[in-house]
Amino acid sequence: AQSVAQPEDQVNVAEGNPLTVKCTYSVSGNPYLFWYVQYPNRGLQFLLKYITGDNLVKGSYGFEAEFNKSQTSFHLKKPSALVSDSALYFCAVRDKDSSASKIIFGSGTRLSIRP
Amino acid sequence: DAMVIQNPRYQVTQFGKPVTLSCSQTLNHNVMYWYQQKSSQAPKLLFHYYDKDFNNEADTPDNFQSRRPNTSFCFLDIRSPGLGDAAMYLCATSGRGNTDTQYFGPGTRLTVL
Repeated sequence: AQSVAQPEDQVNVAEGNPLTVKCTYSVSGNPYLFWYVQYPNRGLQFLLKYITGDNLVKGSYGFEAEFNKSQTSFHLKKPSALVSDSALYFCAVRDKDSSASKIIFGSGTRLSIRP
Repeated sequence: DAMVIQNPRYQVTQFGKPVTLSCSQTLNHNVMYWYQQKSSQAPKLLFHYYDKDFNNEADTPDNFQSRRPNTSFCFLDIRSPGLGDAAMYLCATSGRGNTDTQYFGPGTRLTVL
């Protein structure tokens, strides 16, 4: 069965510093991985995904993620954090046992950027 | 702009009083999903429609039903809401492909009094 883990409930970073939000996965076969962001009282917004190809994926709002097959990780990164990046972040993996495009979410990481 | 729309954004109902949440999409996606999300937890999939085919998750209570009258619209019916059903309800859509992205609506926050 597929699964995804976000080991940190909360990440605190000073504005202007680089940020990393961690995600590890467990799948059979090739993984399809996603990152979403959720602001308070809003739905999830798609940031980026890894399907195949270049291990460094660039997404919205200056975010990028690095796929590392040997470490089964897909960490989200940004070179310089903004206060407006403060939100809840979810990593997700495609459920390959499903006929539809179902995805399995991690437990979420709350990112807090201090001015 | 193509999007996923949910109405209402906030819904208040009484214990046991049926409620219907609606979702519409202009993305022309084949697959529509309903999720329940409680207090910053991961969204929990309730069911999804693959075109007209309804797929219920094994642990979704019978109290939750859904209708998809056409490609664009999907409804979530809660027949007898309990206090434990208070949550954010998220609608999402995607294409059929296994690499397709799910796109979410803004959600409906349900309060049960």
